[in-house]
Formats: sequence, C-alpha cells, structure tokens
Amino acid sequence: QQQVKQSPQSLIVQKGGISIINCAYENTAFDYFPWYQQFPGKGPALLIAIRPDVSEKKEGRFTISFNKSAKQFSLHIMDSQPGDSATYFCAAKGTNNLFFGTGTRLTVIP
Amino acid sequence: NAGVTQTPKFRILKIGQSMTLQCAQDMNHNYMYWYRQDPGMGLKLIYYSVGAGITDKGEVPNGYNVSRSTTEDFPLRLELAAPSQTSVYFCASSLTGSSGNTIYFGEGSWLTVV
Repeated sequence: QQQVKQSPQSLIVQKGGISIINCAYENTAFDYFPWYQQFPGKGPALLIAIRPDVSEKKEGRFTISFNKSAKQFSLHIMDSQPGDSATYFCAAKGTNNLFFGTGTRLTVIP
Repeated sequence: NAGVTQTPKFRILKIGQSMTLQCAQDMNHNYMYWYRQDPGMGLKLIYYSVGAGITDKGEVPNGYNVSRSTTEDFPLRLELAAPSQTSVYFCASSLTGSSGNTIYFGEGSWLTVV
C-alpha cells in the first residue's frame, strides 16, 4: 500500500515554464513533508520541506504548497531550467520512517 | 567531506549467494537507514538504527539483516540472494529521528541477482 501518492509519473516542461508535482497522503500522523531531488546515479538529496502547520514555503524558485484539510501538497518549480531535469520524490515522515512517493521524472527542454 | 559512503557501487550475485553492503558515515549521526529503490516504486525502508547496538525493522525487512556495532558503520547483509532483491540500495543517516532533521543519502549500490 502506497502511503504517499505522487503524480504525474513524468513531466516535460519548456525552459522558463512552471513545473508542478502533486502528492497526497492519508495518515494524519505525518508531521513533516520533504521533497527530494535525485539525479541519475546519485542518491536523493533534500530540496525543500514543510511542516503541516504552514500552508506555503518558498526557497528560491522552489515552493511547496500544503493543504492540510485535503491532505495534499505540491512542489512548484518556477522558471524551470534544464539543470532541474531530475527525478523528484515527495515524502512524509511518520515515526522512524520516511514514506516516499513513487517519483516524478522531470525533463526541462531548452 | 565524505558524508555517507556505500560500497560496492555495483555487484552481480547468483541466486543463493550472500553478501554484505557496507555503509559508513562521518557526520556523527545517531540514526542510520537502509532503503531499497525499485523502478516506479519510490524508496522503501528495510532497516534502521537509532544508535550503536540498536536496530529495528522497516517496511521490507525480509531477506536482510543488519548490525550496528559502531556509530559510523551500518552494514546490510543479504542472505540467500533472490531475484526479488535486485534493486538499488541506499544507505542514509540523520542526526536524530525527529521531524525536521535532514536525512542524508549515500550514492547507492546497484545489485543484480541472477
């Protein structure tokens, strides 16, 4: 059973466009929601994270929007660049475990 | 500036063989984790450790064993390898297990069981 559902599976965006990746969860005990970025042949690296008492968090071109009542959160990448091409994973923290979404492969076309 | 180091990077095993994936961290982190990553499935927690001498099962522990004799090292043992264990394995660590503590991942170990 997938604790965190992520969509889309893949995404192609033009350079300068906005990339949006969505995630949903069921367990209201989750208390921390990070996004990880993974380049081919590398491990995931923390990109940005949010707690459920905050509706939005912005760091540079990356923004998390969080809707606690709908149990959904999303990653927005503004002014997408070819260097952003990677796989993105949302995650949700439970007790001693981080549950990951299935990943979104983002390709930014120059 | 090593962070989390995993060895080997690539390995091919025959069915029924055993092997150990090595993991070491130099950040003095208390928590260490082993995840496996299968295509289209995200990462699943195999085992974790909250400190030296303490380990516990994650979501998918069957077929694996771990030990944590020191703060730095957290090896993952595969006994009687099966094709279902073909995957990419990631070791990770964090200072504590509380929310907000960044989990740092190694670069992965690609394992194929034939």
